[in-house]
Amino acid sequence: GDSVTQMEGPVTLSEEAFLTINCTYTATGYPSLFWYVQYPGEGLQLLLKATKADDKGSNKGFEATYRKETTSFHLEKGSVQVSDSAVYFCALSDKAGANNLFFGTGTRLTVIP
Amino acid sequence: GAGVSQSPRYKVAKRGQDVALRCDPISGHVSLFWYQQALGQGPEFLTYFQNEAQLDKSGLPSDRFFAERPEGSVSTLKIQRTQQEDSAVYLCASSSSDTYEQYFGPGTRLTVT
Repeated sequence: GDSVTQMEGPVTLSEEAFLTINCTYTATGYPSLFWYVQYPGEGLQLLLKATKADDKGSNKGFEATYRKETTSFHLEKGSVQVSDSAVYFCALSDKAGANNLFFGTGTRLTVIP
Repeated sequence: GAGVSQSPRYKVAKRGQDVALRCDPISGHVSLFWYQQALGQGPEFLTYFQNEAQLDKSGLPSDRFFAERPEGSVSTLKIQRTQQEDSAVYLCASSSSDTYEQYFGPGTRLTVT
């Protein structure tokens, strides 16, 4: 069945460091891929998405590229800020986002000044 | 505009009690999803509605879980005879038929003692 494997956390980085959070997936067909973020005390928010192979999703300086050959959707940011401290979830949907999401276990990121 | 709202935000139930969790989706959103998020885990799909029709309930963990959306708007997730393993955050999400992006509510944290 469909599943997402996400890099275990927690991750602690200094401000302005480079961030990578790994995500790989297993799916039948051609899923859409997502990164969601959960800031402290807030609900899940969509950070970025990609709906087909080689698409790059980007938002707020974060990027992720849909790699079909490696079944991956790694999240990257060139220079993290303290305000990026949150829990990040990789997710997939197997019907262009119309159906339910399968989530990874989440990666807690803490950025220290 | 108003986002997805859920009530109550926190619920403590004694083992064996019945609980009802409410979700108010974004106005006009056709699709509504319920997820269960255990501590330290990613959300897991429970059930999905399109308008008032429950199209997928494959994620409901047992027949003690029941969801309804009688008028295609507000939805209620009911858990009968609660058990300790039901303790989790219950998330509701809604989406329109245009973008399929799911917007999440803040969740209801259920603690069964």
